Amino acid sequence: SAVISQKPSRDICQRGTSLTIQCQVDSQVTMMFWYRQQPGQSLTLIATANQGSEATYESGFVIDKFPISRPNLTFSTLTVSNMSPEDSSIYLCSVWGSGANVLTFGAGSRLTVL
Amino acid sequence: DAKTTQPTSMDCAEGRAANLPCNHSTISGNEYVYWYRQIHSQGPQYIIHGLKNNETNEMASLIITEDRKSSTLILPHATLRDTAVYYCIVGGQGGSEKLVFGKGTKLTVNP
Repeated sequence: SAVISQKPSRDICQRGTSLTIQCQVDSQVTMMFWYRQQPGQSLTLIATANQGSEATYESGFVIDKFPISRPNLTFSTLTVSNMSPEDSSIYLCSVWGSGANVLTFGAGSRLTVL
Repeated sequence: DAKTTQPTSMDCAEGRAANLPCNHSTISGNEYVYWYRQIHSQGPQYIIHGLKNNETNEMASLIITEDRKSSTLILPHATLRDTAVYYCIVGGQGGSEKLVFGKGTKLTVNP
């Protein structure tokens, strides 16, 4: 399965600022998926990132708040813009492995917004 | 929305088998059943998946009913380290397929 590295692993941010999370995969993948996990909750899909095109956002998530870049087949970034305490969550990226039968997750980026 | 229903929580004695049920009555013919677990806010860890047949690997066994409307994940000899939230998910495989997580089952393995 793919190996995913996320940065930062955790951060504490001030209200109103923005933070960019990086996701690096050790193999080329077509799609990358970004999830959010709010405290005590399950995972919620934010968007699907395809190389060379705009990301596809799920209901309730908008590009202005969560802009995503996908410059190549092994890398993606998710920015959380104009953060508020409600954005305090774990953000995870995931990809289908090279065998295409297992969705693999990064370790996540834990954001705390004060 | 998630297409699965799981109990909110379960308990199991260490060394015993843990049997985690999942209902997925609206599963489509080409959708797989996946099981993941998440230990203390780490990234979800893949456990096992199947389409129609029962599956077994080094971590667990997956039993899927003949009508595919429900399944059971079996941890044969639960340990304290198996305490986690277990997610049952149905979905396609690979490419642009996205997996939608439900609320999962919090499994607590007791000494």
